[in-house]
This record gives sequence, structure tokens and C-alpha cells, in this order.
Amino acid sequence: NAGVIQTPRHKVTGKGQEATLWCEPISGHSAVFWYRQTIVQGLEFLTYFRNQAPIDDSGMPKERFSAQMPNQSHSTLKIQSTQPQDSAVYLCASSWTDPSAETLYFGSGTRLTVL
Amino acid sequence: QQKVQQSPESLIVPEGAMTSLNCTFSDSASQYFAWYRQHSGKAPKALMSIFSNGEKEEGRFTIHLNKASLHFSLHIRDSQPSDSALYLCAVGGGRALIFGTGTTVSVSP
Repeated sequence: NAGVIQTPRHKVTGKGQEATLWCEPISGHSAVFWYRQTIVQGLEFLTYFRNQAPIDDSGMPKERFSAQMPNQSHSTLKIQSTQPQDSAVYLCASSWTDPSAETLYFGSGTRLTVL
Repeated sequence: QQKVQQSPESLIVPEGAMTSLNCTFSDSASQYFAWYRQHSGKAPKALMSIFSNGEKEEGRFTIHLNKASLHFSLHIRDSQPSDSALYLCAVGGGRALIFGTGTTVSVSP
């Protein structure tokens, strides 16, 4: 099992450009999460899916961020019109079923730098 | 909204000493409490978790939970240089895990 796979590992965008981040969860896991990690804010919850359905996006900045899970093997996080404050490590994680009471398995993250 | 805070922000401990980390949470309905460890440049990995009040030990690691005090802790016995990392506490209860901002631990040989 390769674990949670995230691509790309690093992405540099200019201010105002779009960034799409990809995540492949562990096979068989039904819950997929996106978090954002910065030095100042720590590990912030963005959104999660269960069985491909969006369950909670309460952490997502509403205007420019969107996430999708078109099939059980991948999820995408899209940031439109990127801003310097979006610079962070974006982490994807998956778990078997109940996200509130079991281990999350994280990918290595995508480091987004907005110039 | 759940607030999870950790203390201290950073810690330096000599090799072989005990490391003690603290985490407080705001939602008394929380049901699941966990510690994760993240080495520099790597993904966070789960260390251990607890559901009920009390203590749980796994090897050199012990977790204490006091729900009434909205507090849990992690203790690392015989700390090793390989324990140097960012430690994240996490709290769950009906939705996605909410993490604290972390404690950076450095174990000096």
C-alpha cells in the first residue's frame, strides 16, 4: 500500500493564477480530508468527503476554494485567483469510516507558494 | 466551534529525560483524543489515542485524559533524539478532527 499520494509536491503560482492539487486516498478508505498547514495557524481543517459525498466544508474559504471527489480514487482541491496568503502546505488524509474517532493517514502534502 | 490549544509551544529536553506535552479543548462533548507526530518535511503520523478518562500506555508513550478539566497530555519516557519533532494533539466528536497548533520538541544528545 503506497499510502495517501499527493501531487504535485511543490507548486509555485503567480498572484491571481489558479492552482489544482490532487490527492489519491488509500484504497478502501471511505473518508477523505483536506487540511492546510502554516507556521502561524497550524493544521487547519478545510473540508471532507465520505463515500465521495461532501460532508463538511466549514473550513473552506468560500470565495476561491473548491474541492471535489469525482470518484473513490481521487480528490482535487482547486484555488482560484491565488493570493500570497494562500501559501501553505496542503495536506490530504484518509480514514476507513468515522473521521471523528479513528486514525487519519496523511499524505506528504503539496507546498503551494504564491508569488 | 471547537478550540484546541497546546502548551508549551516548544521544548528542549535532554536525552533520557521525560517529555510532557499538554492539550486543552473547549467542547465538553468531544469523544476522541489523539496525538500525532510530524518529523520535519514529513507527513503527520498518529502516535496514540484515547476515548475514556484515565491513562493509556504504549511503550515509552503515555496519554492521560481528564474530560472534566478539558485536558489531555502526552508523556514520553526516556526521550531519544529521534523523538525530536512537531507534536500535534487532535480532538474529535462527530466531525473531522481538529488539531492544535503543535509543540516543537528537541531532544538534545
